[in-house]
Parts: sequence; structure tokens; C-alpha cells
Amino acid sequence: ETGVTQTPRHLVMGMTNKKSLKCEQHLGHNAMYWYKQSAKKPLELMFVYNFKEQTENNSVPSRFSPECPNSSHLFLHLHTLQPEDSALYLCASTETEINTEAFFGQGTRLTVV
Amino acid sequence: QKEVEQDPGPLSVPEGAIVSLNCTYSNSAFQYFMWYRQYSRKGPELLMYTYSSGNKEDGRFTAQVDKSSKYISLFIRDSQPSDSATYLCAMSAGGSTLGRLYFGRGTQLTVWP
Repeated sequence: ETGVTQTPRHLVMGMTNKKSLKCEQHLGHNAMYWYKQSAKKPLELMFVYNFKEQTENNSVPSRFSPECPNSSHLFLHLHTLQPEDSALYLCASTETEINTEAFFGQGTRLTVV
Repeated sequence: QKEVEQDPGPLSVPEGAIVSLNCTYSNSAFQYFMWYRQYSRKGPELLMYTYSSGNKEDGRFTAQVDKSSKYISLFIRDSQPSDSATYLCAMSAGGSTLGRLYFGRGTQLTVWP
């Protein structure tokens, strides 16, 4: 285990549903990230939080809404998603946002029907 | 324009073979270069980390960076079936954006006994 836990591991949701993905890290890190991994595409950075403050939103549609209540927890709230949003959503953490050694969770496999 | 290009494979080699994995990139600001390994149904884990140009060796793994050609490589000697995974190259420009990683698509490797 890497110390980064994501729940749920799998999620199937309709386009009108609202759901949330959760990430928790037990490493004492201060920066957390959401990445999207689609088939045949590179991992794509979505959001960066450093010491609970959002420092990057990589032009992500507003149907994805992140929340970082503290340095150990990160959420991704989902609403009115599209089928093309189906992907593996990975959470990662680093000591701070000026560190490169990222520790990833196992991801949430999201299917939008 | 894709920032990081990586041949997705798949690559299939016999046990004991030398494996060469490569990425090219276009952004000359990249200074930090990483290789991640991702097993099926798992998140990526950091395998090798290199700063600027040069070689780095760790056991059976050697990472090479040629910044003048914007080309990085990962060599695996004496490959084992346990090396079967997807290998992702990742890069960062450093400074305040050090934690923001740009990934290649990943190369799927199978090592057969």
C-alpha cells in the first residue's frame, strides 16, 4: 500500500446522478492531486491543492467539483457527468507542491451510463 | 500538440531480455524526469527519478535523459515476468510547478517465462 486510499474502487452512475470520490493520505503530505486516466490517453492533471488551497484547475469542466477540507483528505464531487467522463480517477499526494515524488492511490474506476 | 510522446506498445519479450522504453517531449522547460510503473488495477508507483541530463542506475533499471534531443529512456536488464506492467514516463518543469507532472500514454510490457 502506498499510504493513499481511494474510495470507492468502482462506481457506476447515471448522467443525472450526484456522487463523490474520496481520497485520504496517511503520509503527512501537504499537496494533493486529482488525475484522470482515460484509455489510450496520458494521465491528465485535473486539480492541485497545496496546504488545502487550490493552486491549479486545469480547465476542468464545472461538473467536477473538488474539495479539500484538510491536508489529508480530498474529494471530487461529480454531477451531470457525460459518458466520455468514464475513466480511472487517480488521487496522488506529494510532500508539498514543489516535490516530484508522487504517491498514487489505486484509483476509482468510474463508468457513466 | 502532445507534450510527451510515448509508444503505447504492447511490448512482449522473453524472460531475460533487455527492454528499452522511450519517451520524447517538446517542452524544453522540463528538467525532472520520472518513470512510473503501473500494475493492472493499481495506481502508478515511482520507479526512477532523474534530474536534468545523464544516467541513473538502480539494480536492473537504468534511466537515461538526453535533454538536447528531448529524449528519455528506461532500460530493464534481465527482465522478469514480475516486470510485466505499464510503464509511464513523467516530467516536470520544476520550481513552483514541480509537483505538476506531465505523463506519456504508457507502454504496456509483458515478459513471458
